Amino acid sequence: EEQLVESGGGLVQPGGSLRLSCAASGFTFSSFTMNWVRQAPGKGLEWVSYISHSGRDIYYTDSVKGRFTISRDNAKNSLYLQMNSLTDDDTATYYCTRDPRLDLWGQGTRVTVSS
Amino acid sequence: QSVVTQPPSASGTPGQRVTISCSGSSSNIENNFVYWYQQFPGTAPKLLIYRNNQRPSGVPDRFSGSKSGTSASLAISGLRSEDEADYYCAVWDDSLSGWVFGGGTKLTVL
Repeated sequence: EEQLVESGGGLVQPGGSLRLSCAASGFTFSSFTMNWVRQAPGKGLEWVSYISHSGRDIYYTDSVKGRFTISRDNAKNSLYLQMNSLTDDDTATYYCTRDPRLDLWGQGTRVTVSS
Repeated sequence: QSVVTQPPSASGTPGQRVTISCSGSSSNIENNFVYWYQQFPGTAPKLLIYRNNQRPSGVPDRFSGSKSGTSASLAISGLRSEDEADYYCAVWDDSLSGWVFGGGTKLTVL
């Protein structure tokens, strides 16, 4: 069964950092480009970042540029999101999802930024 | 303010046909495939339509998608109570080099 499982969320103070992980199984992870998408409480979906198969091509939404870093380890079938300088606006459930159709989503991991 | 616009709400009675629109621009909808997702509270989005009008296996043929120019639509025919959910369109934006989602449409089955 194809599956994505996120982890690493939690409560963090403003200005703090978190590293999210996404473990892929049941498919050839290295063959797919990947994304992080987030959803603030009661709000819509917001794309956060994209990474190509090899990690060479990376894109971010403007609000996280310079603060978030996406990466992947194809040998470990894993996707990561390093989040620094977190603010209240980053409070959300973070999903990893598979391109090109965004057809496979994890269950999400909740990040709460609060003092 | 999302780059791609959806109505915030839609409604219909059981058996009716409802449509949800998704309006964008030449940098997204006009030149790229549109995707539609269904989301229930507390759960991850589920792919309903890909490449404008294709249904993944397991999605009922009551759901259909279309695209014309800078707009796209999701149609749900034979509306059922279990269709009550949030619906999102998504498309790659060439100018932003990223995915853009519509703001979401909350569908109510009356």
